[in-house]
Amino acid sequence: GAGVSQSPRYKVAKRGQDVALRCDPISGHVSLFWYQQALGQGPEFLTYFQNEAQLDKSGLPSDRFFAERPEGSVSTLKIQRTQQEDSAVYLCASSPGQGGEQYFGPGTRLTVT
Amino acid sequence: TQLLEQSPQFLSIQEGENLTVYCNSSSVFSSLQWYRQEPGEGPVLLVTVVTGGEVKKLKRLTFQFGDARKDSSLHITAAQPGDTGLYLCASNDYKLSFGAGTTVTVRA
Repeated sequence: GAGVSQSPRYKVAKRGQDVALRCDPISGHVSLFWYQQALGQGPEFLTYFQNEAQLDKSGLPSDRFFAERPEGSVSTLKIQRTQQEDSAVYLCASSPGQGGEQYFGPGTRLTVT
Repeated sequence: TQLLEQSPQFLSIQEGENLTVYCNSSSVFSSLQWYRQEPGEGPVLLVTVVTGGEVKKLKRLTFQFGDARKDSSLHITAAQPGDTGLYLCASNDYKLSFGAGTTVTVRA
């Protein structure tokens, strides 16, 4: 079946612009995660949803980052007033339940110029 | 958040050689996972280890979990170019905490 999809795959933004990154999880998966992966590093946790509830947003680096999953399926990660340090790959993962295997999407590579 | 250290950072070997990569933590893992990530893709789960001293094999890959559950290793026998990628270890407390990874290049 279809895996996790993310769009766009690549995004170039000028410093100060707002961006929105989309994640389509595997159908029926309850849990959804966002991670940020800087060049040469492992992914770092940003936020976690269980259905539509955002249960953990402890990894969001600043109040410029906002995530939502209003109907418990598709999720959007929004970054306001982008800065150069926001340049990274943003990965989305979904899981059938809490603590189970996470299935990752291909990521969105964000470059802020 | 658990801090995981991986070594070496980079590893380049010839096809047919063996390699080992390591993952260490100052605190005990509840469970540890190994992933492989290829360029332009997300990480893919290879194995989960839970019990101290556990050894798991996946074809040419052998995973060991330390007795004290603070360290793990991944050994690849007779590496092939298809084994090229970024190998990541992660602790799983519903959210994943990853190490920085080992970039493995297998030359044909």
